[in-house]
Amino acid sequence: QQQVKQSPQSLIVQKGGISIINCAYENTAFDYFPWYQQFPGKGPALLIAIRPDVSEKKEGRFTISFNKSAKQFSLHIMDSQPGDSATYFCAASRGNTGKLIFGQGTTLQVKP
Amino acid sequence: GAGVSQSPSNKVTEKGKDVELRCDPISGHTALYWYRQSLGQGLEFLIYFQGNSAPDKSGLPSDRFSAERTGGSVSTLTIQRTQQEDSAVYLCASSLSGTSLSDTQYFGPGTRLTVL
Repeated sequence: QQQVKQSPQSLIVQKGGISIINCAYENTAFDYFPWYQQFPGKGPALLIAIRPDVSEKKEGRFTISFNKSAKQFSLHIMDSQPGDSATYFCAASRGNTGKLIFGQGTTLQVKP
Repeated sequence: GAGVSQSPSNKVTEKGKDVELRCDPISGHTALYWYRQSLGQGLEFLIYFQGNSAPDKSGLPSDRFSAERTGGSVSTLTIQRTQQEDSAVYLCASSLSGTSLSDTQYFGPGTRLTVL
């Protein structure tokens, strides 16, 4: 049973455009929602994270929007750059277990 | 400072053989995690260590999989009698405490296992 569903599977955006990746979760006990960025041959790296007590968090060009009632959260990449081309994973965890449940990933390609 | 390191970076083995994958976490990190990333799939949790004990082994797919951690540092993931479906990238992550809600997990580069 997949607890975190991510879409789209792949995304192509022009340089300067907005990239949007969506995730939905099932377990209402989840209380930490990070996004990870992964380049080929590398391990994932934390990009930005949010807790459910806020609806939005922004760090530079990256914004997480969180909708607790809909059990959905999304990553927005403003002014997308070719260097943003990577695979992005949303994730969720519960309490202090630390165990991350990941979405299936989105491969983003930003065209120059 | 050094990040999480894993060895080997690549491992090719024959079906039925045993393999050992090693993870060196960031110094001082008490929590350590193993995940598996299959081709085109997301990351799948395998096991979590707090110090040398493993309070959560719920993700280990079968009894062919085991892991240990010694000295609160290095961890080894062992797969016995490997099968072709074990082929994947095995990722290790560590975090400072593992008990804080927003404790960042830092990932290693992974070990790519191919079972022929």
